[in-house]
Amino acid sequence: GAVVSQHPSRVICKSGTSVKIECRSLDFQATTMFWYRQFPKQSLMLMATSNEGSKATYEQGVEKDKFLINHASLTLSTLTVTSAHPEDSSFYICSARDLRGDYNEQFFGPGTRLTVL
Amino acid sequence: TQLLEQSPQFLSIQEGENLTVYCNSSSVFSSLQWYRQEPGEGPVLLVTVVTGGEVKKLKRLTFQFGDARKDSSLHITAAQPGDTGLYLCAGAPIPTHSGTYKYIFGTGTRLKVLA
Repeated sequence: GAVVSQHPSRVICKSGTSVKIECRSLDFQATTMFWYRQFPKQSLMLMATSNEGSKATYEQGVEKDKFLINHASLTLSTLTVTSAHPEDSSFYICSARDLRGDYNEQFFGPGTRLTVL
Repeated sequence: TQLLEQSPQFLSIQEGENLTVYCNSSSVFSSLQWYRQEPGEGPVLLVTVVTGGEVKKLKRLTFQFGDARKDSSLHITAAQPGDTGLYLCAGAPIPTHSGTYKYIFGTGTRLKVLA
């Protein structure tokens, strides 16, 4: 299957600072990537759809000025959590849609654990 | 709002037992994926089903897509401790009003297999 990486895997930051998370498709090009947030023992919550070369599409209730998404190339999307607060602490996971196969499957990165102190 | 309900939410069984996880919706999906996720990691794709009535097998795991493509099931035979994890179904893709596609995730089934 396709490989998606995320960096960093874990980050701890102070309240008020900004944190950037990178999502890369390593062996394929991804015109579409997705950013999810996952709370403990719960399913994935889609935050936004990242489209290469255009603005991201945010889900209802997700602040686009708070969670900045940039998809500048076909292999890289970034999520920046601006002015982070403790309530932003969560597990953030990205996925990329692989158009090479028959089913346009999405493959996930390993996730980033964000802790805001 | 499209929803994918999974049942059961939690399941704790002994090694060697069989189990079935269900994924149900009132919406039709063009395809449906099953994932397994372990703590602190991203979901790993197990299988994609596309055709109504389709059955796919992956070792001891059997996946079925409903005839109407609204529901799916995952059956595990002779469960092992290594099967422990969060199982997620996802219907994909669904075009939104803006023309973009997004996946709808199920509520998840947390499985624990005891040795």
